[in-house]
Formats: sequence, structure tokens, C-alpha cells
Amino acid sequence: AQSVAQPEDQVNVAEGNPLTVKCTYSVSGNPYLFWYVQYPNRGLQFLLKYITGDNLVKGSYGFEAEFNKSQTSFHLKKPSALVSDSALYFCAVRDMSTDTGRRALTFGSGTRLQVQP
Amino acid sequence: DSGVTQTPKHLITATGQRVTLRCSPRSGDLSVYWYQQSLDQGLQFLIQYYNGEERAKGNILERFSAQQFPDLHSELNLSSLELGDSALYFCASSVITGETGNTIYFGEGSWLTVV
Repeated sequence: AQSVAQPEDQVNVAEGNPLTVKCTYSVSGNPYLFWYVQYPNRGLQFLLKYITGDNLVKGSYGFEAEFNKSQTSFHLKKPSALVSDSALYFCAVRDMSTDTGRRALTFGSGTRLQVQP
Repeated sequence: DSGVTQTPKHLITATGQRVTLRCSPRSGDLSVYWYQQSLDQGLQFLIQYYNGEERAKGNILERFSAQQFPDLHSELNLSSLELGDSALYFCASSVITGETGNTIYFGEGSWLTVV
């Protein structure tokens, strides 16, 4: 079964500094990886995904993620953090069952990002 | 706005009761997913429907059931409610094609409080 791990419960960064939110994955076969963000009292918003191709994926709100197959990682990054980036971030991996109708996501435990002014 | 609509947004009910959460997927999406988010369990996949048929089951309790109707909206039924069922319940939807990278879009969730 596929899984993802987010080793940090919380990440603190100063506004203007680069940020990294870590994610490692475990799958058999090729991984399909996603990042979502949850703002307070809101639903999950899609940020970006890695399917195949370029290891650096660009997404919404200036976020990007780096896929590293040898390290089985998919870390979320942003060159310059904003206070408004403070939220809960989830990494997820897609169900790759041979049943093509089964495509649910398995989520990590989430990382709370706190950006200080 | 993701295009996924969930009702009600908030619900307070007593232990032992039954509630129904409703979800309208994005236009054109055939697949609906239900997730539960709680403080101790994180985001747990409950169940997936595709074009009216159950397609995948996750950590869904026997007291819970779901269905997807011909117009593609879905309902999650929670019965014999316990305090521990208090959580945020998300519905999500996606197209399902041969391509495995289809994005899943989430609604704003239904907050359930069991007292």
C-alpha cells in the first residue's frame, strides 16, 4: 500500500525567507504525488502535483515542489515566504490500483507552517 | 471556489442520532470521495464512488454508509453517532480517465459536532 510521511508537525519561518515543507513517500511503481493547503476553517486547496517529467513542479501561489526519486521525497518549497502562507499543508499520494476507477489519495499527517512577520 | 458543494456546513446533534451529509461534485466529475478529518486521526479516506457505483473503501465504519445518485450527487449517512464521530467531513470529486494524474478537488467540508 502507498503512504506518505510528513516528519515535521510544524515549520516556523520568517517572512521573506525561503521555506521547505518535507514529504517522503512509499509506493510500488511510479508515484503520483500531490500537495494541498488548508487555511483555517476552509477546505483543502490543490497546490501542485507530480505525475511524470520534470522533477521541479511549479504550482499555485508561488509554490514549487522538488521530486527526488532516489530519496523518495517530494518537498514543498517557496523562495520567499509570506505571512499569508501560514496554513496546514498536506502531502498526498494517489492509489495506483490496477482498477483504474480507484484513484483516492492517501494523505500525510500534515505540517503546520507558521510565517512570522 | 473548487466547484464542490457540501451541505450543511455545520451540524450539531446528539449521541445515538443519524445525520446525512450531502455533496454535489464539480460539473462533469463522475467520481466522488469522502474523507474524515479529526484531530487524532488526521485525514482519513472513507469511501469512493464512481458513476453511481462504490469503487473503493477506506476506513469507513459500519455505522456509516454512502451512495451516489444518478445526478451524481452523493450522500454520506452517519448513524448511531458517538462523541468520537465529531469531525470535519470532506467531499471531493474528480474526473476519472485513463490518466492517473487527475486532480481531486475538495469542498469546504461539513463540521459535525456530536454532543
